[in-house]
Amino acid sequence: EAGVTQFPSHSVIEKGQTVTLRCDPISGHDNLYWYRRVMGKEIKFLLHFVKESKQDESGMPNNRFLAERTGGTYSTLKVQPAELEDSGVYFCASSRAGGPRLKNNEQFFGPGTRLTVL
Amino acid sequence: DAKTTQPPSMDCAEGRAANLPCNHSTISGNEYVYWYRQIHSQGPQYIIHGLKNNETNEMASLIITEDRKSSTLILPHATLRDTAVYYCISSGTYKYIFGTGTRLKVLA
Repeated sequence: EAGVTQFPSHSVIEKGQTVTLRCDPISGHDNLYWYRRVMGKEIKFLLHFVKESKQDESGMPNNRFLAERTGGTYSTLKVQPAELEDSGVYFCASSRAGGPRLKNNEQFFGPGTRLTVL
Repeated sequence: DAKTTQPPSMDCAEGRAANLPCNHSTISGNEYVYWYRQIHSQGPQYIIHGLKNNETNEMASLIITEDRKSSTLILPHATLRDTAVYYCISSGTYKYIFGTGTRLKVLA
């Protein structure tokens, strides 16, 4: 079974530019999550999809960030325009269908995309 | 979600058991305890999770106290490749709240 994949692995852009990160979850996983770690801080939740619907986007920092999951498969996270403080590692995770209190609903993380904004 | 506390760092000799403690004194009855680790700059790797019973899998064992206020992750025979930051998370929702974790260093 293939794991969660993310593209690109690294991205270097200038302040004011736009960047789009992509995440492909494990096949059959309805739940998809975005997290990020910015410099020196802890890993923080950004948002959660169930299929194509956003269930919780309470962690999205501001309206420069837009996440989509068309068709309930892969997801994209767009940052427009990027600012210096957006630099960090963006992780995507996925889990099976069902509630979080079910025993086998652990989240599986991808390798992350390292974003550097100059 | 409940907040967890972990020691910032620990050392363990190669081949010995590594016992990583976690305090989650405000955990509620429907929250699971999850353990992940992050090796260098890779994505967090799932290790094990449990609700109230002790759990074991091919990677580790999880011991949860009867009052569920704390737990211990046990790596039975630590290897150099187990050097990583270990995160204990308590969650009853989809959102994981990561703390600073324990930096485990396995020494040759």
